[in-house]
Amino acid sequence: NAGVTQTPKFQVLKTGQSMTLQCAQDMNHEYMSWYRQDPGMGLRLIHYSVGAGITDQGEVPNGYNVSRSTTEDFPLRLLSAAPSQTSVYFCASSLLQGGETEAFFGQGTRLTVV
Amino acid sequence: GIQVEQSPPDLILQEGANSTLRCNFSDSVNNLQWFHQNPWGQLINLFYIPSGTKQNGRLSATTVATERYSLLYISSSQTTDSGVYFCAVNQGAQKLVFGQGTRLTINP
Repeated sequence: NAGVTQTPKFQVLKTGQSMTLQCAQDMNHEYMSWYRQDPGMGLRLIHYSVGAGITDQGEVPNGYNVSRSTTEDFPLRLLSAAPSQTSVYFCASSLLQGGETEAFFGQGTRLTVV
Repeated sequence: GIQVEQSPPDLILQEGANSTLRCNFSDSVNNLQWFHQNPWGQLINLFYIPSGTKQNGRLSATTVATERYSLLYISSSQTTDSGVYFCAVNQGAQKLVFGQGTRLTINP
């Protein structure tokens, strides 16, 4: 049981490049989400999903796309990277309802856009 | 939306000291979690505590939902307790809202 796995751990992009951050969970959680953490701040929600085929925007969605084709995977796509997207990205998963809905986080992806 | 405020923002203690971290939130919540972000950036789950009191070794947490606050207690601090402690809440649909964190430094 690996929990929430994010890849890669580190990435450097040039402005305008695209990339996909991968997130996978093996806990059969319906709910998955992406957050970004900027220096000295708490995490802010980018996008979330309540199940396969269903996604919605969070607090800071601009510049990011998501899709959810399976319960296990929730990739985050940057279509045209900008320096403002330099941040640490965290993926999380949890049960959607019923009982304890504790969120579990991956180890993070540190992204630098130059 | 809901506001989450943590205090103090910074705390510097000597090894062996006790500490209390506070999390205030502006509306009723379904879920409250405490996390420890270690110096390597990992977010470690400490407590899932929408109400009541829980203890895990030297750490304990209490949430008084009716008064909209939660407290995290750390006793007999160790240098490995250093890092940033986050409180996060949601009101449903699992969208967590994080506080700004308390940076704890434990000196040997």
